[in-house]
Amino acid sequence: QKEVEQDPGPLSVPEGAIVSLNCTYSNSAFQYFMWYRQYSRKGPELLMYTYSSGNKEDGRFTAQVDKSSKYISLFIRDSQPSDSATYLCAMSAGGRRALTFGSGTRLQVQP
Amino acid sequence: GAVVSQHPSRVICKSGTSVKIECRSLDFQATTMFWYRQFPKQSLMLMATSNEGSKATYEQGVEKDKFLINHASLTLSTLTVTSAHPEDSSFYICSALLLKGSADTIYFGEGSWLTVV
Repeated sequence: QKEVEQDPGPLSVPEGAIVSLNCTYSNSAFQYFMWYRQYSRKGPELLMYTYSSGNKEDGRFTAQVDKSSKYISLFIRDSQPSDSATYLCAMSAGGRRALTFGSGTRLQVQP
Repeated sequence: GAVVSQHPSRVICKSGTSVKIECRSLDFQATTMFWYRQFPKQSLMLMATSNEGSKATYEQGVEKDKFLINHASLTLSTLTVTSAHPEDSSFYICSALLLKGSADTIYFGEGSWLTVV
């Protein structure tokens, strides 16, 4: 079993839809949770960062962490064609340890 | 957000030659940087962790003599692919750790496409 599980998609939605992306994990030591967006042939771009459990909102994006269920989510409201990309969840136990990534979910927002 | 610059963005080299990729943190000091490799439609695979002033820590299965990592300053880490072969062709991405107490964050460079012919 992988440490971080993420549905690879692809996920196709119409413009304006609410998108829900999810990851589950098994390592209870993870404390820091991130969502990255990666466009084709580019490096990942940090979208959201959450420490421990709770919600965080930034514009159209909302990140949720439920440590009791080992489950994290990213919601995108009013999705736009420019949101079409691969979304990677990532997490870390902190310190100077590297991130552990999910496999990424490919999102396609249809105009 | 913080900026990490990676160079070159794209390189083509002949089989048997060596290629160096640079990763710079432009507006912060990064004592720790990470190197990843990504194959098409796959996630990022950690190759090694680079700490300034010390030897890199390589992940299992990554040849340290083939992928030389040097982290000589707080803003620069380099990855050298030695005696490159076509199977080394891949997307290489670096990231740098920004320490901010409880909000340590990792920022990525734009990646480097390596094609070995």
